[in-house]
Amino acid sequence: DTEVTQTPKHLVMGMTNKKSLKCEQHMGHRAMYWYKQKAKKPPELMFVYSYEKLSINESVPSRFSPECPNSSLLNLHLHALQPEDSALYLCASSQTGLGYYGYTFGSGTRLTVV
Amino acid sequence: TQLLEQSPQFLSIQEGENLTVYCNSSSVFSSLQWYRQEPGEGPVLLVTVVTGGEVKKLKRLTFQFGDARKDSSLHITAAQPGDTGLYLCAGSRSYNTDKLIFGTGTRLQVFP
Repeated sequence: DTEVTQTPKHLVMGMTNKKSLKCEQHMGHRAMYWYKQKAKKPPELMFVYSYEKLSINESVPSRFSPECPNSSLLNLHLHALQPEDSALYLCASSQTGLGYYGYTFGSGTRLTVV
Repeated sequence: TQLLEQSPQFLSIQEGENLTVYCNSSSVFSSLQWYRQEPGEGPVLLVTVVTGGEVKKLKRLTFQFGDARKDSSLHITAAQPGDTGLYLCAGSRSYNTDKLIFGTGTRLQVFP
């Protein structure tokens, strides 16, 4: 299995809602990432998990809360988001310390905050 | 500060034409990768280059890493509509880092 699977593919949520994005991989990769991508822009790093521990947080607002329950799963919990948080949220994975060789990305979750 | 600048930002060409996309930096990278992203999808890794001066070919795509490992280029021969997408370079500053730095992106449109 050489895929990263993200669910849901599309999500519309109100500013008072709580929702979660899910990401799963079965390639044995021990580093997993959340990226945010606005239209016509490159992806921006949000969080990095290495061996299920948060290793990088790029000063992301606390309304985004990541969680790594095990080596195959990565969640992003969303609460009290703003319309400007609408974007494509991408999950990726790599062999730990080997982002050097490249990431495998999921297809993303298109989030719209209304 | 954006460490990896891509040029051009946009490219609109006819099927059959050749093109080159550039990825430049003032910093040295241990490796450079190229991704292609289609609308509504995640980026897909095309190639990784790790040695200064390295050239890799993937069918009609040729990738080169600069001798000083500060820049890279992607050349497409006889472009096809299926090549349409956002091309992203991304660099790793060291061998043991998990963090990639993405370039500014080049949006390519190939018309039939």
